[in-house]
Amino acid sequence: GQQVMQIPQYQHVQEGEDFTTYCNSSTTLSNIQWYKQRPGGHPVFLIQLVKSGEVKKQKRLTFQFGEAKKNSSLHITATQTTDVGTYFCAGSGAGSYQLTFGKGTKLSVIP
Amino acid sequence: SQTIHQWPATLVQPVGSPLSLECTVEGTSNPNLYWYRQAAGRGLQLLFYSVGIGQISSEVPQNLSASRPQDRQFILSSKKLLLSDSGFYLCAWSVVGSKQPQHFGDGTRLSIL
Repeated sequence: GQQVMQIPQYQHVQEGEDFTTYCNSSTTLSNIQWYKQRPGGHPVFLIQLVKSGEVKKQKRLTFQFGEAKKNSSLHITATQTTDVGTYFCAGSGAGSYQLTFGKGTKLSVIP
Repeated sequence: SQTIHQWPATLVQPVGSPLSLECTVEGTSNPNLYWYRQAAGRGLQLLFYSVGIGQISSEVPQNLSASRPQDRQFILSSKKLLLSDSGFYLCAWSVVGSKQPQHFGDGTRLSIL
């Protein structure tokens, strides 16, 4: 079945440093979604990418979808303490209702 | 606007006891509904999803079951809980169709003693 790997599992950064998490799928994806889960909270949808090579930005966050639609990345510029949480990528195959989630990258920001 | 309600927020149950977790969605019709489990510090494992009343797809064989008695109601059940059933249970909904974002409830933290 489809597998989605995400690295790193944990990342500790000093406030103001950049952060990147990477997501790789064992199969070609129809789309990829990114979610953020604050400590003690539930996952919240951030963005969806559907096109090969797509790049989207949300303020300090930059999301990329690979040309082969098998990998994706989330980059945060100049992290802030409000960025703390676990970031999940989730992908689905063509026509599928199901999302396969990566295990997430837990980001800690040291003030 | 759409809202999703999930209860209870926390639950402590003895091994072998039954379980019923309920999830309801407001403000939308015919949503896709999902149950996930998240073990401590881990990713989300899809347990069940439903595209309509009475239609349930199971992703992981286990002692849990799901039902959708009404369009916007999704129930997760067990007849006899195991220690390994402990975790954070999340209900989610999405607009019908693929490539749709999922919107999660606040979750239920289930501890089995």
